[in-house]
Amino acid sequence: GAGVSQSPSNKVTEKGKDVELRCDPISGHTALYWYRQSLGQGLEFLIYFQGNSAPDKSGLPSDRFSAERTGGSVSTLTIQRTQQEDSAVYLCASSLAIFQGSNSPLHFGNGTRLTVT
Amino acid sequence: GEDVEQSLFLSVREGDSSVINCTYTDSSSTYLYWYKQEPGAGLQLLTYIFSNMDMKQDQRLTVLLNKKDKHLSLRIADTQTGDSAIYFCAEIYNQGGKLIFGQGTELSVKP
Repeated sequence: GAGVSQSPSNKVTEKGKDVELRCDPISGHTALYWYRQSLGQGLEFLIYFQGNSAPDKSGLPSDRFSAERTGGSVSTLTIQRTQQEDSAVYLCASSLAIFQGSNSPLHFGNGTRLTVT
Repeated sequence: GEDVEQSLFLSVREGDSSVINCTYTDSSSTYLYWYKQEPGAGLQLLTYIFSNMDMKQDQRLTVLLNKKDKHLSLRIADTQTGDSAIYFCAEIYNQGGKLIFGQGTELSVKP
């Protein structure tokens, strides 16, 4: 596709349920990033992938959060036993290579808005 | 530590200049960025500045960098209602891989 695609665009789930959020990066982009955007909190880094490996998982808030990437393409962010504080917009971005500067900027998807009731 | 700070709101009149300020912490950041987010959309890269520059101009946008004070600003000349959005500054933390964003400044442009 032309841009980074995320699905679903909106997800409402009950507290305690598991959710999976999907990101399709731009074709050929080797680096993929997940961020979380909460009201008034800005963008919080969660994890990034170079190919299928995740060199930096330091931003994952708890062990309920996990992410994987297969085939160097699609990535899934899984949140187990969701809590109300998990409600946020989850943004995915991709770039040609690990983001070092202007020659490989991040391209963002429109995000998945997660609401935990 | 990694911390990027911005003021949360700015309101200007159409035609005025807007100045959005940002402070960052990682003095080794090679690039600093400004992203724009319109309602319901992802972030778009607006402009960037390399750390060995003091200023960069790109049409109506001027970026100023004060490395000593770790202060970055974005000036939008002749602000239009279409410029209303949230503006994020960001720095590369720890030499690559991780882009750290500020909280975002919501710019409101009144006609």
